[in-house]
Amino acid sequence: QSVLTQPPSASGTPGQRVTISCSGSSSNIGSNSVNWYQQIPGTAPKLLIYTNDQRPSGVPDRFSGSRSGTSASLAISGLQSEDEADYYCAAWDDSLDDVVFGGGTKLTVL
Amino acid sequence: QITLKESGPTLVKPTQTLTLTCSFSGFSLTTTGVGVGWIRQPPGKAPEWLALIYWDDDKRYSPSLNTRLTITKDASKNQVVLTMTNMDPLDTATYYCAHYYYGYRGRFFDYWGQGTLVTVSS
Repeated sequence: QSVLTQPPSASGTPGQRVTISCSGSSSNIGSNSVNWYQQIPGTAPKLLIYTNDQRPSGVPDRFSGSRSGTSASLAISGLQSEDEADYYCAAWDDSLDDVVFGGGTKLTVL
Repeated sequence: QITLKESGPTLVKPTQTLTLTCSFSGFSLTTTGVGVGWIRQPPGKAPEWLALIYWDDDKRYSPSLNTRLTITKDASKNQVVLTMTNMDPLDTATYYCAHYYYGYRGRFFDYWGQGTLVTVSS
């Protein structure tokens, strides 16, 4: 049972826009920034979005993040086949004094 | 460019102590705002943060594993070592080390090693 809650799966067709949600609480998302990681099977997680809505150099602007209250979202527009991966949200939790991850969302490009 | 690589045993027996080394390049662990963390990921499951060591030698541990973990650094060798005692088959996972940024842009793991799969079995 992860501290941050994500839908286990999401899907879309090429060119579509999909969003992945991440729900937390006042001690994590409500008071700390959210980061998103993309993990292609068999590889290490890759930082996709940091501090709620910032993209590292090299990440396409098709990826965007937002945070509101105790929830955050990752949006992917112009979906491409190479976006098929697992996506994880993460944040610091002040109550647990812990970095907490979401359970992950498996994105399938149909 | 920043790179990290994990090394250590691929197989340990239950009750043994696991020692993993993270060797890195492209940054210094004496630079303000820099840390190195360890994260593990059991097969088919989400990542789980284990420990973090900062440039000033401040150390943080996952509360659920705190009593079993020790993280140390040797900045001169560009290495960070994680030890985990009393290993159990449930500790079977891929173990990653990662560069941690802590500063005005936020706090996040921005560079990850390739990971090393550790299996706990007798």
